[in-house]
Amino acid sequence: DGGITQSPKYLFRKEGQNVTLSCEQNLNHDAMYWYRQDPGQGLRLIYYSQIVNDFQKGDIAEGYSVSREKKESFPLTVTSAQKNPTAFYLCASSIGTGVHEQYFGPGTRLTVT
Amino acid sequence: SQQGEEDPQALSIQEGENATMNCSYKTSINNLQWYRQNSGRGLVHLILIRSNEREKHSGRLRVTLDTSKKSSSLLITASRAADTASYFCATDFWGGGGNKLTFGTGTQLKVEL
Repeated sequence: DGGITQSPKYLFRKEGQNVTLSCEQNLNHDAMYWYRQDPGQGLRLIYYSQIVNDFQKGDIAEGYSVSREKKESFPLTVTSAQKNPTAFYLCASSIGTGVHEQYFGPGTRLTVT
Repeated sequence: SQQGEEDPQALSIQEGENATMNCSYKTSINNLQWYRQNSGRGLVHLILIRSNEREKHSGRLRVTLDTSKKSSSLLITASRAADTASYFCATDFWGGGGNKLTFGTGTQLKVEL
């Protein structure tokens, strides 16, 4: 099956620890994205990558880091510098530049206590 | 700030009725997309309408776009309980990058039997 996978579905961490969220796609898409969703709110863009070995900051990049070493993988690290990391994190991909729909993974719910 | 704002925030209807939700945005756009999100899940793309289109249909969905008013509407006809979800508009606007979307805060639709 083609699609986007995110793991794990639920993640619990202690405050002060870095944590890495996985995102893998087998759609052969060039572009990948990370969003954060808080309760009752829309999605906010954290980072995006339009091609391997390149990525740009989104609207709320502070406290997060990413890498794009392979086309199919775009992991997100939530660092201890992120002030309020508890949220629902969504990864997405699209064919590339231009007018395209985005395909979303099932999300990872991160809880930091 | 978010580009799209949906109205109403929440909508409750009976099965078989039509559901209409609206989206307003602030700046000129390339295209506008609608997505659905079931509770705790990833988003699913519903329909994309380009800035030079006024209306688009897909099954029971009808989307309109009025660029002069900077607004769009999503109509779901003959609603079903399975349509219960949150619906988001997303805009890809000039100067924002080819495939970077800005999501609104969403409309929560509940379809009751």
